[in-house]
Amino acid sequence: DTEVTQTPKHLVMGMTNKKSLKCEQHMGHRAMYWYKQKAKKPPELMFVYSYEKLSINESVPSRFSPECPNSSLLNLHLHALQPEDSALYLCASSQPGGDRGRREGYNEQFFGPGTRLTVL
Amino acid sequence: LAKTTQPISMDSYEGQEVNITCSHNNIATNDYITWYQQFPSQGPRFIIQGYKTKVTNEVASLFIPADRKSSTLSLPRVSLSDTAVYYCLVGGRSSYKLIFGSGTRLLVRP
Repeated sequence: DTEVTQTPKHLVMGMTNKKSLKCEQHMGHRAMYWYKQKAKKPPELMFVYSYEKLSINESVPSRFSPECPNSSLLNLHLHALQPEDSALYLCASSQPGGDRGRREGYNEQFFGPGTRLTVL
Repeated sequence: LAKTTQPISMDSYEGQEVNITCSHNNIATNDYITWYQQFPSQGPRFIIQGYKTKVTNEVASLFIPADRKSSTLSLPRVSLSDTAVYYCLVGGRSSYKLIFGSGTRLLVRP
């Protein structure tokens, strides 16, 4: 299984709502990532988890709260978002840096299809 | 992390070879060069990675000159389905951080 799955595909929420994005992989990867991508812009790294511990937080506002319950799952909890947070949210996974993956190149990240988030 | 510069867009026709060049003047000694492809409303997909000289796989070739300050992604005989955004990235093998540049929008015409 070389797939990263994300749910839901689309999400519309109000600024007072609380919602969660989910990501799952069964490739045995121990690094998982959240990216945000605005229209016609490149993906921007938000968070990195390595071995289920938060490794990188790219100064993301606290209204975004990541969680890694186990090595296969990654969540992004959303609360009190702003309309400018509307974007495609991408999850990715990889072998941790320096590990000798199987046929994978180092730093090769496998991305999910994303969740299209609209904040009203 | 080294910054990359790519053409904003390129046009080609089906069956042609497409070469996309990326500049990375500040590449570090332990940095690798990686290319990703992204279709609309999908996540990026790894294409190829290299350190020096030439790397080839089933979908592309990557040419890296001796000074490593640039690299060229070569897509042989493109088809309409190769229309996508192509990102060049540089980074160390142990780095988690993928810093995407602005990318090159490739349009393949019939």
